[in-house]
Amino acid sequence: DAKTTQPTSMDCAEGRAANLPCNHSTISGNEYVYWYRQIHSQGPQYIIHGLKNNETNEMASLIITEDRKSSTLILPHATLRDTAVYYCIVRGAGSGGYNKLIFGAGTRLAVHP
Amino acid sequence: GAGVSQTPSNKVTEKGKYVELRCDPISGHTALYWYRQSLGQGPEFLIYFQGTGAADDSGLPNDRFFAVRPEGSVSTLKIQRTERGDSAMYLCASSLTRGGEGEQYFGPGTRLTVT
Repeated sequence: DAKTTQPTSMDCAEGRAANLPCNHSTISGNEYVYWYRQIHSQGPQYIIHGLKNNETNEMASLIITEDRKSSTLILPHATLRDTAVYYCIVRGAGSGGYNKLIFGAGTRLAVHP
Repeated sequence: GAGVSQTPSNKVTEKGKYVELRCDPISGHTALYWYRQSLGQGPEFLIYFQGTGAADDSGLPNDRFFAVRPEGSVSTLKIQRTERGDSAMYLCASSLTRGGEGEQYFGPGTRLTVT
């Protein structure tokens, strides 16, 4: 699985959009970009994933560059409850062993009033 | 519906003892994963089950660690002769499909402290 690079920490004001970047320059054609987050003392929570196209769900939007070498997770209106560590993970598809998630250190997002 | 549950939530044991950590996956999820998370780090993969069989145990650190899933549902992670370095949060996750795009749902974890 490709390696990802994320900033160690970020701050965001409550009510503003939080834009979390991730670099994955070695991503291959069949690898997806996944985002999970981990709120203090809880297990990681799935947010969103994508392959080539931008994706949106009730939690967030995922913007993937055309060359797929980087992506941005967008929380449109951050709340204090969004304070967490956010993990960007590149993962292959299919049943041939691409099952484990390889977590990096993630980005610690602090949302402040 | 019920999510992934793990018991106990906290376990304190003495160095050298044997411990078992239990994971109840979401009903119907055929894939089950164990991860370990040390303080300040991201979770680290240990083992993956598809049904009853361990399809990938490449993350188990040594032969003191063993996991079973005899009926394809509940799984137990077993650690023999525990060491202080085994202290960590042990996370379990399950997913509906094998690989593919199946998102993994995590439990709350078991915090293991070896004294």
